[in-house]
Amino acid sequence: GENVEQHPSTLSVQEGDSAVIKCTYSDSASNYFPWYKQELGKRPQLIIDIRSNVGEKKDQRIAVTLNKTAKHFSLHITETQPEDSAVYFCAASMVGARQLTFGSGTQLTVLP
Amino acid sequence: EPEVTQTPSHQVTQMGQEVILRCVPISNHLYFYWYRQILGQKVEFLVSFYNNEISEKSEIFDDQFSVERPDGSNFTLKIRSTKLEDSAMYFCACTWEVEKLFFGSGTQLSVL
Repeated sequence: GENVEQHPSTLSVQEGDSAVIKCTYSDSASNYFPWYKQELGKRPQLIIDIRSNVGEKKDQRIAVTLNKTAKHFSLHITETQPEDSAVYFCAASMVGARQLTFGSGTQLTVLP
Repeated sequence: EPEVTQTPSHQVTQMGQEVILRCVPISNHLYFYWYRQILGQKVEFLVSFYNNEISEKSEIFDDQFSVERPDGSNFTLKIRSTKLEDSAMYFCACTWEVEKLFFGSGTQLSVL
């Protein structure tokens, strides 16, 4: 089955700096890559997603890039704010599989 | 974001007891899922449901677990003979638009 690796496990940045979280996936058949933000004790919330027919997608301060050849995708957060502090999970799903395989998560801390 | 409601928010049970977790999905959802998250770990897929049938299940979803739709709209996850390692946050989730997964508020299960 699909395997998703996520790095780093923890990331601290100064407010206003950029943060980058990277994920790799194992199955070249995967075609959907969402990112979730999870605040402490709360549900994961979808923040952005990308499909394999697109190389980059941006939504305000958040962007995701996808390299299908290398089988990796990244989350970029610019102008970070303290409220961006949370655990971020990447995920991947294969055509027809319907269920998401999640990465291990990145604890992002934005220092004021 | 669509509202997916779970009850109870917290459940404490003794080892060996049965628990039932409940979820009210989005009314026009496509697929329905149960996931779990052990404290500090990633989100893990348990089972998916489509057209009133289980469509996929993971290795975790063994005979100890069952999913039902008792009234045709809500879903339950039954865990029989609970073990200490079943302690986790259990999330139900739905897809509303194709592939966009939205999580419920979660049930924190503690097995003592």
